[in-house]
Amino acid sequence: SQQGEEDPQALSIQEGENATMNCSYKTSINNLQWYRQNSGRGLVHLILIRSNEREKHSGRLRVTLDTSKKSSSLLITASRAADTASYFCATDLGDKIIFGKGTRLHILP
Amino acid sequence: GAVVSQHPSRVICKSGTSVKIECRSLDFQATTMFWYRQFPKKSLMLMATSNEGSKATYEQGVEKDKFLINHASLTLSTLTVTSAHPEDSSFYICSASPDFGNEQFFGPGTRLTVL
Repeated sequence: SQQGEEDPQALSIQEGENATMNCSYKTSINNLQWYRQNSGRGLVHLILIRSNEREKHSGRLRVTLDTSKKSSSLLITASRAADTASYFCATDLGDKIIFGKGTRLHILP
Repeated sequence: GAVVSQHPSRVICKSGTSVKIECRSLDFQATTMFWYRQFPKKSLMLMATSNEGSKATYEQGVEKDKFLINHASLTLSTLTVTSAHPEDSSFYICSASPDFGNEQFFGPGTRLTVL
C-alpha cells in the first residue's frame, strides 16, 4: 500500500450513525493529520496527532494513532448530512508531507 | 495514476526577491488547483483556489498582492511570492483534481527558504 493510504475508498452511512475511516502508512512520521474536502473546495484541516500521542478528540471527531501498526483511524460520531465530504490523511515525514487518496463519505438522510 | 508536479522542489532566495513556483498536472486537465502552505510542525493551510481563466479565490488573511496566482492553462498554475521575506519561508504544496473526477492529487511540495 502507498504511504498514507485510506480505507475504505468510499463509505455510505445513515445520518446519526458513526463513520470510521482508516489510514495506513509505511515509514516513520513526525505527525499525522486528517483533512476534509467538500466537493470542489480546498482541504480543511481537521486534526493533527503527533507521533507520541495515541488518541485525540475534537468535537465529534476522534483520532487514534498506532505507530506500531503504522495506522490511524478517524471516527466521526453522530454523523450529519453536512459531514458528506472526502477525508484525507496526511503523514508528515519532516521534509515532506504525503497525502492519501482519500475516503469519500456520503451521509444518507 | 494522475501526477502533479511542482517546480522547483527547493528554493533559497534573498529577502526582497520574488520567487515563482509552478504546479503542473502532467496527464490530466484541471480547471481548479489549490495552493497550501505549511509552517514547520504545523498543519497545511489553504491559501487560495486557483481557477483557470479567472482570478484566484484567496482565503481570509492571505495577501493576494503578495502571493500572486496565475492559472494560465488547464495544466499549469503558478504561485509567485513577491518581495519575499524570511517569514515567507515555508513549504508550499499544490493539489489538483481532474475535471472528470473527484479524486485529489497533490504535488510533492516546494520548500522555500528566504534568507
